[in-house]
This record gives sequence, structure tokens and C-alpha cells, in this order.
Amino acid sequence: DVKVTQSSRYLVKRTGEKVFLECVQDMDHENMFWYRQDPGLGLRLIYFSYDVKMKEKGDIPEGYSVSREKKERFSLILESASTNQTSMYLCASSFLTREQYFGPGTRLTVT
Amino acid sequence: QQPVQSPQAVILREGEDAVINCSSSKALYSVHWYRQKHGEAPVFLMILLKGGEQKGHDKISASFNEKKQQSSLYLTASQLSYSGTYFCGTERAGSYQLTFGKGTKLSVIP
Repeated sequence: DVKVTQSSRYLVKRTGEKVFLECVQDMDHENMFWYRQDPGLGLRLIYFSYDVKMKEKGDIPEGYSVSREKKERFSLILESASTNQTSMYLCASSFLTREQYFGPGTRLTVT
Repeated sequence: QQPVQSPQAVILREGEDAVINCSSSKALYSVHWYRQKHGEAPVFLMILLKGGEQKGHDKISASFNEKKQQSSLYLTASQLSYSGTYFCGTERAGSYQLTFGKGTKLSVIP
């Protein structure tokens, strides 16, 4: 079974802090994605990566950056957290354009 | 631009059928369908590729009309386990990324 893990299920940070969300997949997938999920808005793509050190902006990249130094690991970085970044963050991975496998999510609260 | 899903929510009794629609204004290469139960991660259901195919698994099937850029998910003889939020994700040719709709909340009651 494909396994996608995220470093934390719940996280509380203060405004202005630098926040790292980590995602690891164990199926040697090329593609990895970061989404945020907010009630009534569905899943919105923040960034994705199709190879090590490669990244592309999604629909809502402002205020975020990413890092992919190893194939299995994809990190989402909030350089200076703000309250409007309080959300559920979901990581996913896929082989080429096939089905995406999602991690359990990190519920981030910025106070 | 996010695809438009309809309806936003639907309540069914066990055994009833439902159709969830997903419509895009852009030319599509494929449509994915996922189901998310409360408090859990989305889970893949099926992919439909350009070509107007129809796929099915058990009592859940889907179609993709590429001329209209529309996909429909069909749930027949619904079970309690079908409850959850259904998302369509659309993919354009040459892109690895999916754009998801806002979701359709399906509730199946006894």
C-alpha cells in the first residue's frame, strides 16, 4: 500500500513564525503536491513538484514556498505565518498523471 | 479556474440513486473522482481519460463527455458507506496538476 505521511496532525503557531510542514511518501512517486482545504472551497493547489528540486506554482502560492531535496520528501514552508493561513493542509503524491494518494493532513492554527 | 460541481449537497435514503456533475470551462485531458469521509483524507475512486469513456466499480460509475467538458458520477443503490464529500479533479493536457471542485456532500440515511 502507498503510504503518505505528514509530520504533524495538529499544529499551533503564532503570527510571524516560520512554519515547516513535512510530507514523506514511500512509493517512489515522481509527483508530489501540497493543497489547502477550507470549508466550502474544496482542495486548492499551493505548489507541486514533478522531480527533485523541481517545483511549480499552483493556484494559491502566495505566502508559501516549498523544498524537495529528496524524491520521497516534500516540504511546505510558511515564511511568516499569518492568521489567514489557518487551514487544513494536505499532501499528496502520484506516479505521472495517475491517481493521487493523500496524507492524513495537518490542521494548522495560526494565532 | 475550479470546475463547478452540482449539487452542493444531497441526502439519500439507502437504496436510492444519485448523480453528481462536474463541469469545466476549459478543455480537459482527464477527470478524477475522489471521496472524502469526515476527518479522513480524500480517497481515489476513478480516472476518466479523454475519449468519452465510462468506467465503473461496483455500484459507482462515471462518464466523461469531452465535447461538453463534463463528467458525471453515478451512485446506484446507495449504501450508508457512500456518505462523504465527493470531489472531481480536472486535468488539462500537458499538466500534472489537478484542479478540484468545491465538493458535493452526500449523506445516506437509513
